[in-house]
Amino acid sequence: NAGVTQTPKFQVLKTGQSMTLQCAQDMNHNSMYWYRQDPGMGLRLIYYSASEGTTDKGEVPNGYNVSRLNKREFSLRLESAAPSQTSVYFCASRSGVLRAGVGYNEQFFGPGTRLTVL
Amino acid sequence: GIQVEQSPPDLILQEGANSTLRCNFSDSVNNLQWFHQNPWGQLINLFYIPSGTKQNGRLSATTVATERYSLLYISSSQTTDSGVYFCAVGPTASKLTFGTGTRLQVTL
Repeated sequence: NAGVTQTPKFQVLKTGQSMTLQCAQDMNHNSMYWYRQDPGMGLRLIYYSASEGTTDKGEVPNGYNVSRLNKREFSLRLESAAPSQTSVYFCASRSGVLRAGVGYNEQFFGPGTRLTVL
Repeated sequence: GIQVEQSPPDLILQEGANSTLRCNFSDSVNNLQWFHQNPWGQLINLFYIPSGTKQNGRLSATTVATERYSLLYISSSQTTDSGVYFCAVGPTASKLTFGTGTRLQVTL
């Protein structure tokens, strides 16, 4: 049971290049999230998917697009990268299903992708 | 949106000391989590605690939802406790707003 996995771990882009960050979870969770963390700050929500087939904007969605490919996978795309998007990106998932003895609201995080845009 | 304030911003402890970290939030929440971000950047779940008290080994947490604050207690601190501690809250289960964290350094 790997939990939440993210690829790649590190990436360097030039301004204007595009790329997709991949996230997968094997916990059969309904909801998935993308956050960014800038130096000295907490995480900020970019987009989320409450359930398969739905996506919604978070606090800082500009410059990003997302795809909930299936229940397991949630990708984040940068169409034209900018230096302001240099950050560490975290994916998370949440069960969202009430089951006895199990926290259904708790979010679990992947290891992060460190992205630098030159 | 909801505001989250954590204090203190920085904390230096000698090994074996106890500490209390505080999280204040500006609105009612249904989701409150404490995380430890280790020096490698990994976010480790400590507690899911929208109300009440929980304990896990040397760590415990208390949330007083009616007064909009949560406390994280670390007893007998160890060097492995070093890192940044985040409180994250959400008025709904779907979204979390993070505080800016408490950076803890435990020295020998």
